[in-house]
Amino acid sequence: DAKTTQPTSMDCAEGRAANLPCNHSTISGNEYVYWYRQIHSQGPQYIIHGLKNNETNEMASLIITEDRKSSTLILPHATLRDTAVYYCIVRARMDSSYKLIFGSGTRLLVRP
Amino acid sequence: DTGVSQDPRHKITKRGQNVTFRCDPISEHNRLYWYRQTLGQGPEFLTYFQNEAQLEKSRLLSDRFSAERPKGSFSTLEIQRTEQGDSAMYLCASSLTSLSGNTIYFGEGSWLTVV
Repeated sequence: DAKTTQPTSMDCAEGRAANLPCNHSTISGNEYVYWYRQIHSQGPQYIIHGLKNNETNEMASLIITEDRKSSTLILPHATLRDTAVYYCIVRARMDSSYKLIFGSGTRLLVRP
Repeated sequence: DTGVSQDPRHKITKRGQNVTFRCDPISEHNRLYWYRQTLGQGPEFLTYFQNEAQLEKSRLLSDRFSAERPKGSFSTLEIQRTEQGDSAMYLCASSLTSLSGNTIYFGEGSWLTVV
């Protein structure tokens, strides 16, 4: 699976948008970008995924650049409960196991 | 919709004892995964099942670890002769292989402390 690079930590103010970047310059055409988050002491929570088009759901938006070498997860109105470690993962759809390979993620702190 | 369920949530054991964790995946999910996570690190893949078949095992899964999914539903992860280095959170996850995707959903984890 392609390697991803994320900032170690970020912070944003409550109520503002949180924009979490991810670089995946070696991504191949059949690899999806997945985002998960992990709140302290809990299991990872699925947020969103995409291939090449921008995606939006009730939790977040995912913006993927045209060359697919980077993406941004956007939490439109961050709350204190969004404080967590956010993982950006690329995964081949046709990989036999479909397993997720986690990196170190970005630790997001939402400030009151 | 019940999510992935893991039991026990916390286990403290003495070094050398055996421990077993149980995972109940989301109903009808055909794939089941086990991960391990230590403090400050991301989850690390251990093994996965498709139905009852164990199709891949990580090198992290030493001979003291064994996982089963006998009827393609729940799974168990057993650690024999526990060592202090086994202290971690053990995560179970499941997914349904379909044309529309294969999103993996995680349980809350089972914390193991070996003393």
